[in-house]
Amino acid sequence: KAGVTQTPRYLIKTRGQQVTLSCSPISGHRSVSWYQQTPGQGLQFLFEYFSETQRNKGNFPGRFSGRQFSNSRSEMNVSTLELGDSALYLCASSLVTGYSPLHFGNGTRLTVT
Amino acid sequence: GENVEQHPSTLSVQEGDSAVIKCTYSDSASNYFPWYKQELGKRPQLIIDIRSNVGEKKDQRIAVTLNKTAKHFSLHITETQPEDSAVYFCAASIVTGTALIFGKGTTLSVSS
Repeated sequence: KAGVTQTPRYLIKTRGQQVTLSCSPISGHRSVSWYQQTPGQGLQFLFEYFSETQRNKGNFPGRFSGRQFSNSRSEMNVSTLELGDSALYLCASSLVTGYSPLHFGNGTRLTVT
Repeated sequence: GENVEQHPSTLSVQEGDSAVIKCTYSDSASNYFPWYKQELGKRPQLIIDIRSNVGEKKDQRIAVTLNKTAKHFSLHITETQPEDSAVYFCAASIVTGTALIFGKGTTLSVSS
């Protein structure tokens, strides 16, 4: 079974621009969540989607948004990029919601210059 | 909201020794506590998890203990091997979804 696929693997953007990251979950997985990983803050929860509905949202500004499609694929968008948004963005999928292990993708490395 | 603190931030042991990583959480409603291992340049992977109705769980050389009263849980690795070297993250969640709140990680180095 194919794992969680994230595209693109690397992105370089300029301050003020916006970016869209994509995540394809493991086949059959309906829950997708997003995390930001930085050396100083570790793994921080961004948001979680289940059956196209946002179930939870972390403490990030409104510049960070996401959505999930009917095929469970998910996208996250960051608008008006800031230098501090440079990070590894990890997507994770799980079979159902709650008590199901998260399966992470390899992440998208975003660099904002 | 939930807050998870993890100690120590770095841990160095000799091969064959035991390693213990401790986490505390703030929200008494949390009821699911997984541990993830992240090797350098790779994705985090679940190594063990525990639910709040269980006090201890073992899987070969790895065990996790949970003290709900004190709101802390620990990862125990026995007979450490060089391939155990990685960053370990604890996490907690309230099982209405899969939103995990992670600790900041422990870098474990096992020297032979």
